[in-house]
Amino acid sequence: AQSVTQLDSQVPVFEEAPVELRCNYSSSVSVYLFWYVQYPNQGLQLLLKYLSGSTLVESINGFEAEFNKSQTSFHLRKPSVHISDTAEYFCAVSNSGYSTLTFGKGTMLLVSP
Amino acid sequence: GAGVSQSPSNKVTEKGKDVELRCDPISGHTALYWYRQRLGQGLEFLIYFQGNSAPDKSGLPSDRFSAERTGESVSTLTIQRTQQEDSAVYLCASSPRTGAYGYTFGSGTRLTVV
Repeated sequence: AQSVTQLDSQVPVFEEAPVELRCNYSSSVSVYLFWYVQYPNQGLQLLLKYLSGSTLVESINGFEAEFNKSQTSFHLRKPSVHISDTAEYFCAVSNSGYSTLTFGKGTMLLVSP
Repeated sequence: GAGVSQSPSNKVTEKGKDVELRCDPISGHTALYWYRQRLGQGLEFLIYFQGNSAPDKSGLPSDRFSAERTGESVSTLTIQRTQQEDSAVYLCASSPRTGAYGYTFGSGTRLTVV
């Protein structure tokens, strides 16, 4: 069985500050890792994913996440956030060869001026 | 179509009534998934269809829940004798293949049972 833990339900930050959203997973086999974002009143959108290769993956809007196998983590970071980054962020994992994603409970990122 | 389409976007129903939710996946996507998102909770897996294989129903919470999909097209999720705890956003997603591709989600159906 696999599971995802997002310890922080809410992360308040000021605009232009750095942020890290934490994600830890448990799985007995190789994994694929994903971050999804849900803006207010919108559906979930894929932000970035790790499949294999380089452990550092980036999105087009400045977010990055690093796969750390020894710590079973896939934390999401951004060096300087904008008001428009306010959204809920979901970490998800799937086992290679099996398609169903298991999601964390989400972290609400609240960016204020 | 260009994206995953779900209807209705909102549904209010009385306790005990049956409801049917529809999902139209991206053309060519062989895999289709239903998830439930209750207030303050993560996404809860319900059911998964892959092509013409038997669906994975392991996430359905009770026998009041069922889903169908014809080939690689539209899927319907049916909830019989709705209860207040069924109130949630029901999300449908599709993907071109299993595993590595991630999902494209629809905007969801917000179900409120009163």
